[in-house]
Amino acid sequence: GESVGLHLPTLSVQEGDNSIINCAYSNSASDYFIWYKQESGKGPQFIIDIRSNMDKRQGQRVTVLLNKTVKHLSLQIAATQPGDSAVYFCAEKFGAGSARQLTFGSGTQLTVLP
Amino acid sequence: DTAVSQTPKYLVTQMGNDKSIKCEQNLGHDTMYWYKQDPKKFLKIMFSYNNKELIINETVPNRFSPKSPDKAHLNLHINSLELGDSAVYFCASSQDLGSEKLFFGSGTQLSVL
Repeated sequence: GESVGLHLPTLSVQEGDNSIINCAYSNSASDYFIWYKQESGKGPQFIIDIRSNMDKRQGQRVTVLLNKTVKHLSLQIAATQPGDSAVYFCAEKFGAGSARQLTFGSGTQLTVLP
Repeated sequence: DTAVSQTPKYLVTQMGNDKSIKCEQNLGHDTMYWYKQDPKKFLKIMFSYNNKELIINETVPNRFSPKSPDKAHLNLHINSLELGDSAVYFCASSQDLGSEKLFFGSGTQLSVL
């Protein structure tokens, strides 16, 4: 039979290096974007968000870049640490009222090597 | 102290059974959600409730029935469980319908044998 496994994009980085996780979003009408981190056995946890009227936003050790022209979002993590190992999801919001909901992209597995 | 808590953490059951997952949030939020995460980690919204009222009901089989007894609780009942229901189910909440940020519980791993 066919074995089913995880086929997440993966990124391995050396501890202390910078990480860049990329995401292509689907809807040109999306006006809000958010990055979540999901550690093994836990729920997604908010990292940083950005609205479509910005192209860059910085947090503590993290930066999100938004390129609306090519519908691309990236998450940069400075000085990556072992605790950063997790699956990272981008998500977008579009629409209004009850139709406005968070749509997740496929995740990226980040592994930090010692 | 957990903001969004769901029980049980693991649920193993036979095909055809009925089971429930409970969720509670102590953040004082108005809006709660159920998401399903498949084995490939893809997260998809199932339902959202605002002040106990159903807002979003994605194309989910009617074997899945959410119930919100009050705005701090959103339970998920599943009838006649099927193999394809095996997944991790996440409850989440947000301050209100217009709030962008969602807070997630730690998930319920459902395995249907």
